[in-house]
Amino acid sequence: GESVGLHLPTLSVQEGDNSIINCAYSNSASDYFIWYKQESGKGPQFIIDIRSNMDKRQGQRVTVLLNKTVKHLSLQIAATQPGDSAVYFCAVYSGAGSYQLTFGKGTKLSVIP
Amino acid sequence: NAGVMQNPRHLVRRRGQEARLRCSPMKGHSHVYWYRQLPEEGLKFMVYLQKENIIDESGMPKERFSAEFPKEGPSILRIQQVVRGDSAAYFCASSQNGAYEQFFGPGTRLTVL
Repeated sequence: GESVGLHLPTLSVQEGDNSIINCAYSNSASDYFIWYKQESGKGPQFIIDIRSNMDKRQGQRVTVLLNKTVKHLSLQIAATQPGDSAVYFCAVYSGAGSYQLTFGKGTKLSVIP
Repeated sequence: NAGVMQNPRHLVRRRGQEARLRCSPMKGHSHVYWYRQLPEEGLKFMVYLQKENIIDESGMPKERFSAEFPKEGPSILRIQQVVRGDSAAYFCASSQNGAYEQFFGPGTRLTVL
């Protein structure tokens, strides 16, 4: 089965700096990846996704990078703001026909004003 | 356009009682997923349903847990004879037919005394 791990459980950054959150997955057949943001007491909120036929995808202030060779995924947040403080999860689909999202444990991002 | 709705938001039960958690998917979504989240953990897949059908229940405990998504009305996750270890946040997500992207509700926080 799939397993998803995070490199750091917590991350503190200064307001205005860039944040990088990393994620590793185990199944080379995984074909779709999502980053979610979860604020305290709320459900996960979709941030950005990427398919396995891409290496990079950009959104507003966020970029996701996918390295299939080493099965590594990262989320970059530019000019981090206090409102970005939350727990960030990567979630992975395990291949064609699978509808299960496998989540990592999450990285708690704290933004220092 | 309302998002995924879950109720109740908080539920307290004593050991041995039954818990019923309800989920109304986003308008136009016919696929529903249930996940469980323990404190400081990522979400764990439980079950995937389409209208009147359970498609994948591989993540759901074999005993005491059941789920349904009737033709009319919300999806229900039912936990019979609750135990303290059932205390967790239970999230529902929905998606359109054939879409990867899952949208999450705010969750139901179950506390078993």
